[in-house]
Amino acid sequence: AQKITQTQPGMFVQEKEAVTLDCTYDTSDQSYGLFWYKQPSSGEMIFLIYQGSYDEQNATEGRYSLNFQKARKSANLVISASQLGDSAMYFCAMREGRGGGYNKLIFGAGTRLAVHP
Amino acid sequence: GAGVSQSPSNKVTEKGKDVELRCDPISGHTALYWYRQSLGQGLEFLIYFQGNSAPDKSGLPSDRFSAERTGGSVSTLTIQRTQQEDSAVYLCASSLAGPNTEAFFGQGTRLTVV
Repeated sequence: AQKITQTQPGMFVQEKEAVTLDCTYDTSDQSYGLFWYKQPSSGEMIFLIYQGSYDEQNATEGRYSLNFQKARKSANLVISASQLGDSAMYFCAMREGRGGGYNKLIFGAGTRLAVHP
Repeated sequence: GAGVSQSPSNKVTEKGKDVELRCDPISGHTALYWYRQSLGQGLEFLIYFQGNSAPDKSGLPSDRFSAERTGGSVSTLTIQRTQQEDSAVYLCASSLAGPNTEAFFGQGTRLTVV
């Protein structure tokens, strides 16, 4: 069965420093996608970055990068040069790519990030 | 519409009443997901639709919960005989098919059972 684990309920980081949010996953499928979403206090879900299981390069989107270690089944999010506006909940998610169009999307428990000035 | 639309935004209901929550996905998105989020918690998977069929209903908490999707578009989540523990934000998301497509979320329906 699919499983996503985020072991850090809360993280603190100083403004302008980098921070890594951990995510491990479990799947028996070879084809899957990994996603990170940000949820500010307003409640909206904001897509940040995607990594495919067959991608050889780590994904990057601006200040966000995904440290993908397939053998260890980890997909950690790295935020460089943290800003006060990065304070939010961060969710790791996975979608498997089974045949027949089965694409269930599940989320981890989330990590609450607080950026301090 | 341009994004995923959920209605109502807020719903207050009395314990024991039935409620219907609506999700209007992005046009052309074949996958549709319902999640429940309690305050400060993660997203609890409820049900997933591919087209009009639901390959995975494993997350529905009890038989009081049901969902349907018609015309491969609008979905309705129905909660019968609501209980106070049903109070939460119910989020809907839609996406194109495939493991590599991002899901787009609605703004959610905040359900309060009094």
